[in-house]
Amino acid sequence: KNEVEQSPQNLTAQEGEFITINCSYSVGISALHWLQQHPGGGIVSLFMLSSGKKKHGRLIATINIQEKHSSLHITASHPRDSAVYICAVSLMYSGGGADGLTFGKGTHLIIQP
Amino acid sequence: SAVISQKPSRDICQRGTSLTIQCQVDSQVTMMFWYRQQPGQSLTLIATANQGSEATYESGFVIDKFPISRPNLTFSTLTVSNMSPEDSSIYLCSVRDREVTEAFFGQGTRLTVV
Repeated sequence: KNEVEQSPQNLTAQEGEFITINCSYSVGISALHWLQQHPGGGIVSLFMLSSGKKKHGRLIATINIQEKHSSLHITASHPRDSAVYICAVSLMYSGGGADGLTFGKGTHLIIQP
Repeated sequence: SAVISQKPSRDICQRGTSLTIQCQVDSQVTMMFWYRQQPGQSLTLIATANQGSEATYESGFVIDKFPISRPNLTFSTLTVSNMSPEDSSIYLCSVRDREVTEAFFGQGTRLTVV
């Protein structure tokens, strides 16, 4: 069974700080997803990556396949970044079977002004 | 990308009643999933909604409790039947296309059973 571990579980920081959230998983995957969940419950997909690094605005995601580890970074953090950040992994789609995602428990991020 | 409209966004229901949640996608998608997120927990896959056939349920979830319909490639419903307070959760639908594995989610339905 694939396990997904995130750290830290909770993080409170001051506006402007550089934020790092970590995700480790236990078996081989085809893709890793970083998701953002706001208090209302809706989820937004931030990144999907299978190797290397991706950047979107102030967000950067990296993945090391050999070490089974990924990080999500937020530069120049802002109170509107306050949310739950969830790491999820997916298996390669193959043949007639469909597979969902295995989720981490999430990191609760609060950015104080 | 896919835009998903999920409704209702929240509801408060009486014990023993049923609630049907709708998920509408703006394009045809291969895979649709229903998830449950209990308070303070991560998301758990309930089932895969299959177009034109019975849904595929994960261990611990049964059709009688969570009947699912998927009449076409853009629409699905999840019903939470005979509700109890333990069913209080956020329920989310998610879609992925066969060729692209990025996942898209609805806004979630926050259900409280009293």
